[in-house]
Amino acid sequence: GENVEQHPSTLSVQEGDSAVIKCTYSDSASNYFPWYKQELGKGPQLIIDIRSNVGEKKDQRIAVTLNKTAKHFSLHITETQPEDSAVYFCAARAPGNKLTFGGGTRVLVKP
Amino acid sequence: NAGVMQNPRHLVRRRGQEARLRCSPMKGHSHVYWYRQLPEEGLKFMVYLQKENIIDESGMPKERFSAEFPKEGPSILRIQQVVRGDSAAYFCASSPGTDLNSPLHFGNGTRLTVT
Repeated sequence: GENVEQHPSTLSVQEGDSAVIKCTYSDSASNYFPWYKQELGKGPQLIIDIRSNVGEKKDQRIAVTLNKTAKHFSLHITETQPEDSAVYFCAARAPGNKLTFGGGTRVLVKP
Repeated sequence: NAGVMQNPRHLVRRRGQEARLRCSPMKGHSHVYWYRQLPEEGLKFMVYLQKENIIDESGMPKERFSAEFPKEGPSILRIQQVVRGDSAAYFCASSPGTDLNSPLHFGNGTRLTVT
């Protein structure tokens, strides 16, 4: 089955700096890669996703990149703000299969 | 359009009791997924259901756990004879399908505490 590794497990950045989270996956059939943000006491919220026919996608301060050959994908947050502090999860899914999550990255944005 | 609704938000059970967790998917969604999250850990897949069918239960413990998604009403995750190790947050997600245009949307979870 699919295995998703996520690094780093914790990330502390100064407000205004960029944050980068990296994930690798094992199943070459995976073609859908979402990112979720989880705030304390809440469920994961989808913030951006990328499909395997696209190498990069951007939405305001958030961007994701995908390298299918190397089987890794990354989340980039620019101009971080205190409200970006949360736990972020990457995930991967092959067609018709379940979504497999990485272990999460706790991001702390220091004012 | 209401999101995924889970209830109760918090559930306390004594060891040996039964826990029933309910999930109403988003309107128009016929696929439901249950995930478990231990404190400070990631989301572990438990089971994937469509209406009246279990599609994938590879993450479900073989004993004491069961799930259903009837034709009418919410999906139910049932844990019999709970033990302390069952204490966790249980999240439900729904999607309209399994193709690339069907992202999963999560509810806010049920936090189960076994005393």
